[in-house]
Amino acid sequence: QKEVEQDPGPLSVPEGAIVSLNCTYSNSAFQYFMWYRQYSRKGPELLMYTYSSGNKEDGRFTAQVDKSSKYISLFIRDSQPSDSATYLCAGGGYGQNFVFGPGTRLSVLP
Amino acid sequence: DGGITQSPKYLFRKEGQNVTLSCEQNLNHDAMYWYRQDPGQGLRLIYYSQIVNDFQKGDIAEGYSVSREKKESFPLTVTSAQKNPTAFYLCASSMDRLYNSPLHFGNGTRLTVT
Repeated sequence: QKEVEQDPGPLSVPEGAIVSLNCTYSNSAFQYFMWYRQYSRKGPELLMYTYSSGNKEDGRFTAQVDKSSKYISLFIRDSQPSDSATYLCAGGGYGQNFVFGPGTRLSVLP
Repeated sequence: DGGITQSPKYLFRKEGQNVTLSCEQNLNHDAMYWYRQDPGQGLRLIYYSQIVNDFQKGDIAEGYSVSREKKESFPLTVTSAQKNPTAFYLCASSMDRLYNSPLHFGNGTRLTVT
């Protein structure tokens, strides 16, 4: 079992839809979580960084962490064609390196 | 603007040759990392460095080498011992590794070895 799992997609949604992207992880020591957006042939761009369980909102993006079920989510409201990219999740614990999921490819159709 | 600069963007090499990828940061971060990205796989850690003159192997260090002589710079050498070197290489930095500060990435170097 991989430490961080993501559905690779592709996920296609119409413009304006609410997008839900999800990851599961297996390492109980993870306390820090990140979401990145990666456009083709570019480096990942940090979207959200969260600690422990709970929600964090930034503009159209909301990150949610449920440590009891080892489940993390990223919600994108009012999705735009420019949100079409691959989304990577990652988890890490104190003194450990972050572990990344394989990414979910999202396509927002105009 | 603060950030991470990787060069070159594309690199082509013949099998059997060593090649060095450059990574420079002006974020004043202590920790730096090298990842490899292959289609359908998560980022895999090659090497990391928490401070100058110190570095540690990651999950897939075989066939790679690094140095950290300056805080700003963390070059990666892909040696001829790396069996499958063609990949997208990403350099990252963070303020602090111990407390899991977020990683900031460069725009990568795509290496093709034929």
